[in-house]
Amino acid sequence: AQTVTQSQPEMSVQEAETVTLSCTYDTSESDYYLFWYKQPPSRQMILVIRQEAYKQQNATENRFSVNFQKAAKSFSLKISDSQLGDAAMYFCAYGGLSGGADGLTFGKGTHLIIQP
Amino acid sequence: DTGVSQDPRHKITKRGQNVTFRCDPISEHNRLYWYRQTLGQGPEFLTYFQNEAQLEKSRLLSDRFSAERPKGSFSTLEIQRTEQGDSAMYLCASSLAGTGNADGYTFGSGTRLTVV
Repeated sequence: AQTVTQSQPEMSVQEAETVTLSCTYDTSESDYYLFWYKQPPSRQMILVIRQEAYKQQNATENRFSVNFQKAAKSFSLKISDSQLGDAAMYFCAYGGLSGGADGLTFGKGTHLIIQP
Repeated sequence: DTGVSQDPRHKITKRGQNVTFRCDPISEHNRLYWYRQTLGQGPEFLTYFQNEAQLEKSRLLSDRFSAERPKGSFSTLEIQRTEQGDSAMYLCASSLAGTGNADGYTFGSGTRLTVV
């Protein structure tokens, strides 16, 4: 079974600074997907960024980018120019290729605090 | 289509009562998932539908839990004889079968259940 580990229960960053959230995972598969989801307080979970394991190039979405190290099974999220609206729980998730019963496996999350 | 809708947003019930939650997925999504999220944890898979067929159930889904998706549209999750340990956020998500896990899921805002 796949596992996802987020070792930082909470992170704090000054507004406009850069922060990196860590995620490691374990799988015996060679192809899969990795995701970062954002969950603001009392609001729905939103997909921030995704990475296909067969692509070596790290995904980027505006101020959000990942550092995907396949051999190390590491998938960190970098948020540049942090904004107050970035404050939320961030979840790293693993997904097999086929979806369906495989579903997504989530980490326990990192609570990101943005200091004004 | 406004996304995945869940109703109610909040439910407080007395221990031993039955409760039912509803999820309306994105209309063209044929896969529907139920997840449970307890405080300080990431979402945990409960069950999965492809169209109207329930194809997978987690061991977390005891016999007090039942889910249906008649006609492959909306889904209901019923908990019978609720226990305090059932207190959690129940999340519904949907996806398109053809993409596997490639696009991740679209989540609803969840139903927060409190059993007193």
